[in-house]
Amino acid sequence: DVKVTQSSRYLVKRTGEKVFLECVQDMDHENMFWYRQDPGLGLRLIYFSYDVKMKEKGDIPEGYSVSREKKERFSLILESASTNQTSMYLCASSSSGGELFFGEGSRLTVL
Amino acid sequence: QQQVKQSPQSLIVQKGGISIINCAYENTAFDYFPWYQQFPGKGPALLIAIRPDVSEKKEGRFTISFNKSAKQFSLHIMDSQPGDSATYFCAARVGGSYIPTFGRGTSLIVHP
Repeated sequence: DVKVTQSSRYLVKRTGEKVFLECVQDMDHENMFWYRQDPGLGLRLIYFSYDVKMKEKGDIPEGYSVSREKKERFSLILESASTNQTSMYLCASSSSGGELFFGEGSRLTVL
Repeated sequence: QQQVKQSPQSLIVQKGGISIINCAYENTAFDYFPWYQQFPGKGPALLIAIRPDVSEKKEGRFTISFNKSAKQFSLHIMDSQPGDSATYFCAARVGGSYIPTFGRGTSLIVHP
């Protein structure tokens, strides 16, 4: 069974803290994505990666960075968390031309 | 600028009724149109998809209707069930790209 695993389902952080969101996929997919989901705004792409150590900005990259040191792992980093980054974060992976497989999400609250 | 416009934002249907969600797009380079279904507490999952060479695709109670000239496509859920209550996202993808553009989602509630 294909799987995208996000290590933290719920996080509560304070303003200014550094936050790491981890995502691992077991499907040997080339492409990995980080989305942010907010009510009424749908799924907005933050960053994506099409290969190890490669990354491209999505629609809303400001305040975020990513790391992909291994094919199966894609991390989202908030260098200095702010309250407007309180959201649901979804990781996804895909093979080239294939469907996206999503993780169950990480709900981040920044106080 | 929304490249894929989805409506309605929310929808309430009685059990056994038909649920209809509509999407419209501008980019004529889109050539793959998937729908994703998301249950509470879960990530979205592919439900059904269509390419513009056909006008309709049916899988069980779920049907995509596609109107290429109008640049519109819609999801019909026949005999809607409470278990269909979820958020539905339409999406569109340009040929050769692996990044879909998502609509903003529709929250569907089916009352028993």
